[in-house]
Amino acid sequence: DGGITQSPKYLFRKEGQNVTLSCEQNLNHDAMYWYRQDPGQGLRLIYYSQIVNDFQKGDIAEGYSVSREKKESFPLTVTSAQKNPTAFYLCASSGTGTSDETQYFGPGTRLLVL
Amino acid sequence: AQTVTQSQPEMSVQEAETVTLSCTYDTSENNYYLFWYKQPPSRQMILVIRQEAYKQQNATENRFSVNFQKAAKSFSLKISDSQLGDTAMYFCALNTGTASKLTFGTGTRLQVTL
Repeated sequence: DGGITQSPKYLFRKEGQNVTLSCEQNLNHDAMYWYRQDPGQGLRLIYYSQIVNDFQKGDIAEGYSVSREKKESFPLTVTSAQKNPTAFYLCASSGTGTSDETQYFGPGTRLLVL
Repeated sequence: AQTVTQSQPEMSVQEAETVTLSCTYDTSENNYYLFWYKQPPSRQMILVIRQEAYKQQNATENRFSVNFQKAAKSFSLKISDSQLGDTAMYFCALNTGTASKLTFGTGTRLQVTL
């Protein structure tokens, strides 16, 4: 069954703590993305990666970091520098350079600050 | 820069009726893709329909169809024979490049009633 998985479903962060959100895909997609969703708003891009070992900042990258060591995986770390991390985080993936660059999304992770 | 505007924060429709959700966008690109995504209470983002700008024919997926007016930069979604399971947030999104970000509107909350 092809798809995108995110874990955990819920995550709690204490002050000053870094936390990492997992995103894995088995769709053989080259590109992966991280979005943040706040109440009453659409999604905003945090980081994206078009190929392994390469990634670019999106619109709201401050306080976040990513890595892309494997094609299937694109973890997002929310650092202590992110002062307002409470949000819903969605990971997506897509093909590149093909006729279908539609982004498909995982089920999301809800991050709450204690 | 790309923008996407959804001017209807909330809409309601009775079961079996037809409803149209509005979306306008702005981009200087000539080739791009437009999408409608559905986000039910589970918060999973689900692709509803997509339209390639260079195709004049409006996309259709079962009960869902779009009215794509390129000159007017308008991309509305029509849902026919509405079902209770259509109750969700609907987001319009624009993609203008290879493996690049989606620009989202703020969403329309659709409630299907008996």
